[in-house]
Amino acid sequence: DAKTTQPPSMDCAEGRAANLPCNHSTISGNEYVYWYRQIHSQGPQYIIHGLKNNETNEMASLIITEDRKSSTLILPHATLRDTAVYYCIVRPHTGNQFYFGTGTSLTVIP
Amino acid sequence: EAQVTQNPRYLITVTGKKLTVTCSQNMNHEYMSWYRQDPGLGLRQIYYSMNVEVTDKGDVPEGYKVSRKEKRNFPLILESPSPNQTSLYFCASRPYSTGGLGFTGELFFGEGSRLTVL
Repeated sequence: DAKTTQPPSMDCAEGRAANLPCNHSTISGNEYVYWYRQIHSQGPQYIIHGLKNNETNEMASLIITEDRKSSTLILPHATLRDTAVYYCIVRPHTGNQFYFGTGTSLTVIP
Repeated sequence: EAQVTQNPRYLITVTGKKLTVTCSQNMNHEYMSWYRQDPGLGLRQIYYSMNVEVTDKGDVPEGYKVSRKEKRNFPLILESPSPNQTSLYFCASRPYSTGGLGFTGELFFGEGSRLTVL
């Protein structure tokens, strides 16, 4: 079952911030928001995850709304190498279910 | 270097000819799983394993077998491949969470195996 809704595609100018939205209106209290990306047909790569607080690491920032029904992944200074499909996943921190969906195809434009 | 290694990376075969795609990880992860990726359908889980000799079906297990005799290896077996198994396959592993909370959500993926069944 799809728990998240993402736009199918987005463009971003190189050097600008890329803001990728994700709606997860049915998220439950014990579910985290995870983000992965897949460059071309390589294996998906973990980016970041969070529960309710905003999170930042060396790759990206994750902003989760106060009601937790949506979130935004921010790539602060997009480069051409950030062109990829980005997947937003809602799941318990532990457990076996990973529903990747079809994600957002981000194209960084020179 | 921590990695998940799949072989072969590319394979073209014919209907009914048994094949095995190997997967090996060097991170001592208990959990391993297989996914297939098809256009418009995203990644779908085939089988997963939570430890040696423990395997379970994912969302699309039909036509596949797996085994987990060693912690580091999780081969995917297609006993009688058919054209609808033409796909891009990914193996993944993940660690057990410190603190005893179970497996974390950080999956480590291999580079993929592109299989074509004629």
